[in-house]
Amino acid sequence: EIVMTQSPATLSVSPGERATLSCRASQSVSSDLAWYQQKPGQAPRLLIYGASTRVTGIPARFSGSGSETEFTLTISSLQSEDFAVYYCQQYNNWPLTFGGGTKVEVK
Amino acid sequence: QVQLQESGPGLVKPSETLSLTCAVSGYSISSGYYWGWIRQPPGKGLEWIGTINHRGTSYNPSLKSRVTVSVDTSKNQFSLNLSSVTAADTAVYYCARIAGGGYDVFDIWGQGTMVTVSS
Repeated sequence: EIVMTQSPATLSVSPGERATLSCRASQSVSSDLAWYQQKPGQAPRLLIYGASTRVTGIPARFSGSGSETEFTLTISSLQSEDFAVYYCQQYNNWPLTFGGGTKVEVK
Repeated sequence: QVQLQESGPGLVKPSETLSLTCAVSGYSISSGYYWGWIRQPPGKGLEWIGTINHRGTSYNPSLKSRVTVSVDTSKNQFSLNLSSVTAADTAVYYCARIAGGGYDVFDIWGQGTMVTVSS
């Protein structure tokens, strides 16, 4: 099983600032990496797949990068609706596995 | 648009079987795609449980001995059975669609249903 590790666990950021979230895989997953956003009481929402491809309708301030074992989700200028928990997920190997999440909170 | 809706008991006794159903609207599940279950214990992260499509099923090895995912095309729904439950199985259970096209990511989710295991 591929273990996904996200850091930091909590990120405190002021509105309008940049947020950088990290996700590390225990072995190479190529570019088979997705990011999700989850707000309290809601189901996760797919943001990015293929490490860097935004889902239709996702704002351009969200960008993904990386390959193999190191990945980054960047939110260029945080809006109020972006404060949430973010999860990465690898789909290079089954079982499909998720990271533990990064909570982006208001500083 | 495609929508998924989970249903089932919110309370299950220890050692019994948890049974949930996911009703799909806006798409015929017999037409394709993979359909799956994910769970999230309170305050914790996401865990993939299992997936089904026309070719068969795949299960998380950590749960495989207790999980069955099945599909009822006549009702356009799929189901989850998890046997011998304990308090550790208390979680929000989501059903979701896998995007396909080589991208095994969950692009459409149900709203989730909370299941508590307690006597």
